[in-house]
Amino acid sequence: GAGVSQTPSNKVTEKGKYVELRCDPISGHTALYWYRQSLGQGPEFLIYFQGTGAADDSGLPNDRFFAVRPEGSVSTLKIQRTERGDSAMYLCASSFPGETQYFGPGTRLLVL
Amino acid sequence: GENVEQHPSTLSVQEGDSAVIKCTYSDSASNYFPWYKQELGKRPQLIIDIRSNVGEKKDQRIAVTLNKTAKHFSLHITETQPEDSAVYFCAASMGGADGLTFGKGTHLIIQP
Repeated sequence: GAGVSQTPSNKVTEKGKYVELRCDPISGHTALYWYRQSLGQGPEFLIYFQGTGAADDSGLPNDRFFAVRPEGSVSTLKIQRTERGDSAMYLCASSFPGETQYFGPGTRLLVL
Repeated sequence: GENVEQHPSTLSVQEGDSAVIKCTYSDSASNYFPWYKQELGKRPQLIIDIRSNVGEKKDQRIAVTLNKTAKHFSLHITETQPEDSAVYFCAASMGGADGLTFGKGTHLIIQP
């Protein structure tokens, strides 16, 4: 079946702009996670959804970052007033609760 | 919060030899420990995982061991092959409804 998909695959933006990154989880997976991976590092947890609600957003670095999942399927990660330090690979994963997390291909964000 | 340390950062082995990667974690409440393989430019893919009620798990050439008392777990790859070359990440979580905390990764190089 179809895996986790993410769009766009690459995003280049200018400092101060707003960006949205989209994640389509595996059908039926109620849990959805966002991670950020910088070059040479492991993925860093940002936020976890169970259904439509954010069950844990403790990893969001500051209030410029926000994520939604209004219908319990597709999720959007939103970054306001982007900074050069936001440049990274943004990974989404989905799972049944407590089960294996399957990752998408990521969106590579570059803030100039 | 949880902290996961991973060693070594780079490991070079001869084809056919074994490779061992070690991780330690800090939170005794963690009970789920997956290992992911990430090839250059690709998404992380689960290769094996272990839960705290099990001390060892094996899948063909790959095995994972867990020592809950010492709070460390290890990945063992036997009869290494060129296609095993990749970055390997260990991770830990409380297993139920929790984001993963990753180690910094080990770059495994298989020498022909």
